[in-house]
Amino acid sequence: SQTIHQWPATLVQPVGSPLSLECTVEGTSNPNLYWYRQAAGRGLQLLFYSVGIGQISSEVPQNLSASRPQDRQFILSSKKLLLSDSGFYLCAWRGGTLDEQFFGPGTRLTVL
Amino acid sequence: AQSVAQPEDQVKVAEGNPLTVKCTYSVSGNPYLFWYVQYPNRGLQFLLKYITGDNLVKGSYGFEAEFNKSQTSFHLKKPSALVSDSALYFCAPGPRGEGNKLTFGGGTRVLVKP
Repeated sequence: SQTIHQWPATLVQPVGSPLSLECTVEGTSNPNLYWYRQAAGRGLQLLFYSVGIGQISSEVPQNLSASRPQDRQFILSSKKLLLSDSGFYLCAWRGGTLDEQFFGPGTRLTVL
Repeated sequence: AQSVAQPEDQVKVAEGNPLTVKCTYSVSGNPYLFWYVQYPNRGLQFLLKYITGDNLVKGSYGFEAEFNKSQTSFHLKKPSALVSDSALYFCAPGPRGEGNKLTFGGGTRVLVKP
């Protein structure tokens, strides 16, 4: 069966510091991968998605970037965090014959 | 561009009563439509989907949803709500292809009272 992992689970970072959030998927090959941000427990905003290694599509221009160095690894990064980067970051995958996306447990980021 | 609206921020029902969470969407072409549920500080869980075929789709935990093309709606329903159904519910339409990107609504918080 497929599983998706995110780490860290929680993170508190000062303004201006770098960021690296990691997402890995097990049990599937060549998945579509997605990064979302959820602010204040409400709607999700799609940040990036990837249909293959090294292929990244950015949905919202902002202070973040994404990379996919391996087939089942998706990384969200920032060189300098802003207060507005605080939120709940969710990774998701979709693959094979499935239409739906499956979400990881999320990372709660607080920028102080 | 695609969009989705969940007109109610919160829905309150008594346990045992029917539950409806509303969703309307705007997607070019024939959409995929999904419902997800989120419990506090957790990721989203898939409930059900409409891809094609029968307009009434059944999903997890006794939930169902009806696709109405003329009204561009995909309302989520449960005949008899449980206290454990209290959570945040998201409707998400998506176009076919294009990386299967989904657009999430703002969510509807459901509170089921004992």
